Amino acid sequence: NAGVMQNPRHLVRRRGQEARLRCSPMKGHSHVYWYRQLPEEGLKFMVYLQKENIIDESGMPKERFSAEFPKEGPSILRIQQVVRGDSAAYFCASSPEGQTLVDGYTFGSGTRLTVV
Amino acid sequence: DQQVKQNSPSLSVQEGRISILNCDYTNSMFDYFLWYKKYPAEGPTFLISISSIKDKNEDGRFTVFLNKSAKHLSLHIVPSQPGDSAVYFCAASLSGTYKYIFGTGTRLKVLA
Repeated sequence: NAGVMQNPRHLVRRRGQEARLRCSPMKGHSHVYWYRQLPEEGLKFMVYLQKENIIDESGMPKERFSAEFPKEGPSILRIQQVVRGDSAAYFCASSPEGQTLVDGYTFGSGTRLTVV
Repeated sequence: DQQVKQNSPSLSVQEGRISILNCDYTNSMFDYFLWYKKYPAEGPTFLISISSIKDKNEDGRFTVFLNKSAKHLSLHIVPSQPGDSAVYFCAASLSGTYKYIFGTGTRLKVLA
């Protein structure tokens, strides 16, 4: 009965490298959300996905960031050519079909990305 | 353009007393409001929510109050316990969307 699983927990990348963050939703959950928390800030929405579909990517930076949720396997948040400003905690959340906004999501423990 | 604001970055309360965490918002169209609790190195955990058609929701020691005219909500924890020490985020959402807009959080410390 595992919760939302994110890996790695910590990721260090040099400027210009690629970062891949993985998220396995809770069993039975078909909706995945990615949020980013910059230091001393609240969580900010990035993208909402269902299996094989991006539903809302209004919070994603226009360049270098992409997300997918394939039919098989975890959701991936990919950051190309990382810069220092990408250093943040990235949280994934999931919810089952039919859950309303008042019920909230289940969040994972996050991936802390540090760009050096 | 911070639509959800938590103006107190931190709060200290004695064990057994009431903790009151406040949150203000600017968009009168928000339909749902939630509180999340976050421990260090963990993800946020859903605590309690309220829809805009209500002004109060209670769950055990936790009560959320919504004042729509003032665009203000608060979370009351009674009695406060040391295990309640965490960062509390309020969040708001519009129906028809799938995302929450979070405040910057209030760090609560309950002193034994």
